[in-house]
Amino acid sequence: SQQGEEDPQALSIQEGENATMNCSYKTSINNLQWYRQNSGRGLVHLILIRSNEREKHSGRLRVTLDTSKKSSSLLITASRAADTASYFCATEAGSSNTGKLIFGQGTTLQVKP
Amino acid sequence: DTGVSQNPRHKITKRGQNVTFRCDPISEHNRLYWYRQTLGQGPEFLTYFQNEAQLEKSRLLSDRFSAERPKGSFSTLEIQRTEQGDSAMYLCASSSLAGGPYEQFFGPGTRLTVL
Repeated sequence: SQQGEEDPQALSIQEGENATMNCSYKTSINNLQWYRQNSGRGLVHLILIRSNEREKHSGRLRVTLDTSKKSSSLLITASRAADTASYFCATEAGSSNTGKLIFGQGTTLQVKP
Repeated sequence: DTGVSQNPRHKITKRGQNVTFRCDPISEHNRLYWYRQTLGQGPEFLTYFQNEAQLEKSRLLSDRFSAERPKGSFSTLEIQRTEQGDSAMYLCASSSLAGGPYEQFFGPGTRLTVL
């Protein structure tokens, strides 16, 4: 079963614009991770934010986490055509020490050159 | 390349046949995970191993599915008597127990089509 819900399901922007994707989840978590998937391929880890962190940056990526609202957002600044992909949030349940990830349904991002 | 590898990359089979997939994780990684992904959905957890021990199996996994990691290195996922509903991308991921929390490294996946 999917824990996360992502919003929007699809996003189309021009190169150079910023892209924001949101993720909501249901249970307490140890951490929340964002992954990217290019068409028909495996997932690439982008960034991990722990449950006691509120914001994290990595290059052009900025992730926020609001545990009171059980939500997270991923901001990609100055987007490039190469950012075109599906983006998934994934949570590791707070009661678990397994590392098992529960994924959302994903946001499909298209960046037009 | 020292990443996670999966074989075969594509498998087409007829309903009722058995199929087996292989995953080779990053060599020093203790944990290995199998996920299934259908079109337009996020990956769904199937099972995971810590070294050679299978520690959790999804309740959604039918008895036709079995996974092994005999020496704590590579893993195999077998599906017996395949059904059309088994058509999906099967993803393997591995992670290290050192440090933490744990980033998972994914393989390219095996795409299964059941005719």
